[in-house]
Amino acid sequence: KAGVTQTPRYLIKTRGQQVTLSCSPISGHRSVSWYQQTPGQGLQFLFEYFSETQRNKGNFPGRFSGRQFSNSRSEMNVSTLELGDSALYLCASKAPTGLDTGELFFGEGSRLTVL
Amino acid sequence: SQQGEEDPQALSIQEGENATMNCSYKTSINNLQWYRQNSGRGLVHLILIRSNEREKHSGRLRVTLDTSKKSSSLLITASRAADTASYFCAISGSARQLTFGSGTQLTVLP
Repeated sequence: KAGVTQTPRYLIKTRGQQVTLSCSPISGHRSVSWYQQTPGQGLQFLFEYFSETQRNKGNFPGRFSGRQFSNSRSEMNVSTLELGDSALYLCASKAPTGLDTGELFFGEGSRLTVL
Repeated sequence: SQQGEEDPQALSIQEGENATMNCSYKTSINNLQWYRQNSGRGLVHLILIRSNEREKHSGRLRVTLDTSKKSSSLLITASRAADTASYFCAISGSARQLTFGSGTQLTVLP
């Protein structure tokens, strides 16, 4: 069974640009969560999608948005990039049986550098 | 905040020694999970302990949970160089997402 796949793995953008990151969950998993990881703030929850609906949202500005498609693939978008958005963006999926409390299966992440 | 706080922030030991990491949290929990992250990679789930459990084992891993003290510990026995990684505790509580601690960086010297 393939794991969680994130693309692209690395990308470099400049301030003011926007970026879209993609995540394909494990087959059969319908929940997709996004986390931002930085050295200063650690792992911070962005949002979770389940069956194309945003189920939960962290404390990030509106520049951060996401969506989920009918095949459970998810994208997140960051508009008007700032230097502080440089981070490792991690996507994770959950098995249907572990929707509220179960383990997360993480992808390898997308490393975003904003210049 | 439910966020867990790991202690120590960094730990360096010799191969074969045991490594102990601690996690403290502030609110009631449904369960507590431990994850491992190799440098620049995704996180890997290690073990989950529910709020009504006190101890759990998985291979060389032993996790304890003390809900009265709101703390958990992760013990890795007979450490190997390949155990070098960052270890995170994650809290599952009233919020429906996992909240991660700041992590312990473990270095196992050969």
